[in-house]
Formats: sequence, structure tokens, C-alpha cells
Amino acid sequence: DAGITQSPRHKVTETGTPVTLRCHQTENHRYMYWYRQDPGHGLRLIHYSYGVKDTDKGEVSDGYSVSRSKTEDFLLTLESATSSQTSVYFCAISENTSGDTQYFGPGTRLTVL
Amino acid sequence: GNSVTQMEGPVTLSEEAFLTINCTYTATGYPSLFWYVQYPGEGLQLLLKATKADDKGSNKGFEATYRKETTSFHLEKGSVQVSDSAVYFCALRGGSYIPTFGRGTSLIVHP
Repeated sequence: DAGITQSPRHKVTETGTPVTLRCHQTENHRYMYWYRQDPGHGLRLIHYSYGVKDTDKGEVSDGYSVSRSKTEDFLLTLESATSSQTSVYFCAISENTSGDTQYFGPGTRLTVL
Repeated sequence: GNSVTQMEGPVTLSEEAFLTINCTYTATGYPSLFWYVQYPGEGLQLLLKATKADDKGSNKGFEATYRKETTSFHLEKGSVQVSDSAVYFCALRGGSYIPTFGRGTSLIVHP
């Protein structure tokens, strides 16, 4: 199994508070991704990174920011959490772009009250 | 842009039945095609993949053939087990950083 961990695995927070989710990999893969998974919507890309300090927006980036200061860590921040951000968040990594497999972390279940 | 369409679920089968989950795609160029599986409470994991036309990916009794003429990558298994109950995602990846996923198909297998 690819070495990907996510922390925390579960979090309950209140509306308006900032939240940071961490993805850590031990594979030295260049590309990292944050997705959210909601019933009826499948997987939706929030942000991705194609190298240290190189990030870009996905299809549902509003209300989220990311940072990648080291190859192994990719942080997702909800600047001011809202109930619509209650979801399961997955991190993924891949070594290359074209034709390459993505490896997923175990997920973080976030509940915003 | 790229897109993936897969059949909606849930698909409900009895153990040892034949499984087909349809997947069709739209893409420019020659993408690689994937099936991922997600077991309850876990992240997605690669089930199989194919990187060029007419390639067949296979794993754990599952198969899918890359059909460029019909832009399809249907997932099949001859005899499903209860342990195959999961959500299956079809995906493609071309030359960009961003893969494209289908919405997932839930499979429920009854004993």
C-alpha cells in the first residue's frame, strides 16, 4: 500500500471556525490532490499540487485554500467552515500525470455544526 | 473537455451472478482508463487499468477492455462474491494533471 496518511480522521467543528486537514505521504510523489466525496456527487476535486509551492484550483475550490511547503505534506484549510462543507475529504497522490495511477488516503470525515 | 459516464446504481446481485458495470467516456487524445473500488469506510484503490486501445485490464477476477471504437471500458466479473460489495468508479487520465471520475456505481451482493 502507498504510504498516505490523513489527519485527523474525524472532526466535528462549529460554523465559522477555521479547520486544517493534513495529508502526509512517504512515496515522494510529485502530485497531490484534495477531493471531497458527497452522496450523489461522487468525487469532486478541490485543489491539487504539481510540486512544492505549486498549487491550483479544482472545480469546488471556493472556501478552501491549500499549502505545500514540503513534498510530503499537503494541507487543506477551510478558512471559515460552513455546514455545506460537511463531507468526507480524501487526499490522493500520483507520481506522474499521464496514465498514472492515483493512490488515495483513508479519508477524513468532517462535520460542521 | 473530458467526461466519464457510468451506470447508476445500486446494482443488486446474488452471489455467483455475472456482473457488468457500464462505463463510457469522452476524451481528446488517448487517455488511460481505470477502475477504482471503494470499500465501506475506506479510500479508493486501483482495481485495474488499461493504457491503450484493445488492452485488457484484469485483477481479482474483474476484467475491462479498452474499446476506442465505442469509447467504453465496461467492468465485468463472471461470479461475484459478497465481499465484492463496494462502490466502483470508472476514471480516465490524459495528459493533464487532473483525472476525470465517474460518479460511482454501488454494488450490493446478497448471499
